[in-house]
Amino acid sequence: AQSVTQLDSQVPVFEEAPVELRCNYSSSVSVYLFWYVQYPNQGLQLLLKYLSGSTLVESINGFEAEFNKSQTSFHLRKPSVHISDTAEYFCAVAVKTSYDKVIFGPGTSLSVIP
Amino acid sequence: EAGVTQFPSHSVIEKGQTVTLRCDPISGHDNLYWYRRVMGKEIKFLLHFVKESKQDESGMPNNRFLAERTGGTYSTLKVQPAELEDSGVYFCASSHYEGGAGVYGYTFGSGTRLTVV
Repeated sequence: AQSVTQLDSQVPVFEEAPVELRCNYSSSVSVYLFWYVQYPNQGLQLLLKYLSGSTLVESINGFEAEFNKSQTSFHLRKPSVHISDTAEYFCAVAVKTSYDKVIFGPGTSLSVIP
Repeated sequence: EAGVTQFPSHSVIEKGQTVTLRCDPISGHDNLYWYRRVMGKEIKFLLHFVKESKQDESGMPNNRFLAERTGGTYSTLKVQPAELEDSGVYFCASSHYEGGAGVYGYTFGSGTRLTVV
């Protein structure tokens, strides 16, 4: 079975400071990796994903995540956060042989402080 | 295009009552999924429809939950009778891609927050 751990349930950070949201997963088979974001009063949106190839993936709004197979991690980073980044972030995996079912982590609430 | 629509956005019911949640997927999306997040924990898969057929309902917690998708369009999720532990946020998602929604990504609705008191 697969599982996803997000060690930090809440992360407060000052505006323009860097941030890292940690994600570790457990799986005996190959997986795809995702970060989803939920802004207040909105649905979940796909932020970025790792399927194959370069282990560093980027989103259009400045976030990046790096797949580390040896550490089974997929941490999300941004060098300078904005107020508008305040949201809940979910790390998720999908098994390559059964990728219609996505397994989510518990989420990390990012609060950007002015 | 319109997104995935869920209603109600909030529902407060008493233990033992019945509640029906509705999801309207994006038009033309054959795949429809239900997920829920209970008490701030991880979001968990409930079931997957392909058109009107249940492709995978392995995540349904018990027989108090009944999901239907009439004519392959909108879907309903009925909880009868509701228990306190059913409180949480119920998300619906849809996808155009068969057998690969986990890769291409879902489009989620805003969720229904269910509170059972």
